[in-house]
Amino acid sequence: DAGVIQSPRHEVTEMGQEVTLRCKPISGHNSLFWYRQTMMRGLELLIYFNNNVPIDDSGMPEDRFSAKMPNASFSTLKIQPSEPRDSAVYFCASTPRTSGYNEQFFGPGTRLTVL
Amino acid sequence: SQQGEEDPQALSIQEGENATMNCSYKTSINNLQWYRQNSGRGLVHLILIRSNEREKHSGRLRVTLDTSKKSSSLLITASRAADTASYFCATTSMKIQGAQKLVFGQGTRLTINP
Repeated sequence: DAGVIQSPRHEVTEMGQEVTLRCKPISGHNSLFWYRQTMMRGLELLIYFNNNVPIDDSGMPEDRFSAKMPNASFSTLKIQPSEPRDSAVYFCASTPRTSGYNEQFFGPGTRLTVL
Repeated sequence: SQQGEEDPQALSIQEGENATMNCSYKTSINNLQWYRQNSGRGLVHLILIRSNEREKHSGRLRVTLDTSKKSSSLLITASRAADTASYFCATTSMKIQGAQKLVFGQGTRLTINP
């Protein structure tokens, strides 16, 4: 059974370029989370969705960041235009549809470098 | 704002020894989870303890929770080289529209020396 899938695994781009990160959650999971991890700030929650609807985007740093979840099996995080300070590892995570509080299943991450 | 804070930030021990990591948090919680992150990989869930529980075991892992002190500890017994990783605590305070929100600490970097 495949886990959370993220692509690309590595992305190197130049400042000002648009970057799109992709995530496929585990089938049957109904909540999806985007995180950013850096040495300075640790692991930060950017936005999360429940049943494809954005619930809380208060962690999105700027208007340059946007996220969509057009269906239950796909989500994107877009940065436009990208800046060097956006360099980080971006993780996607999902949780299953239950009534209780459950573990989050993380993808392998996308390492983004903005030159 | 950061909820959990791990202590110590880094820990280095010999294989076979026990490793203890601590986590403190600021607000009331519904549950607390511990995750492991190997270098260059995503986080992996280890164990969850609910606010009404005081201790939980899973294999070589033992987690305690003291809600009066707003703290938790993770004990790894008989450590192995493969336990080398960063360990994070994460707290859940609320559930909004069916989704839980986790707030992670900064993590403890554990190194097991052979």
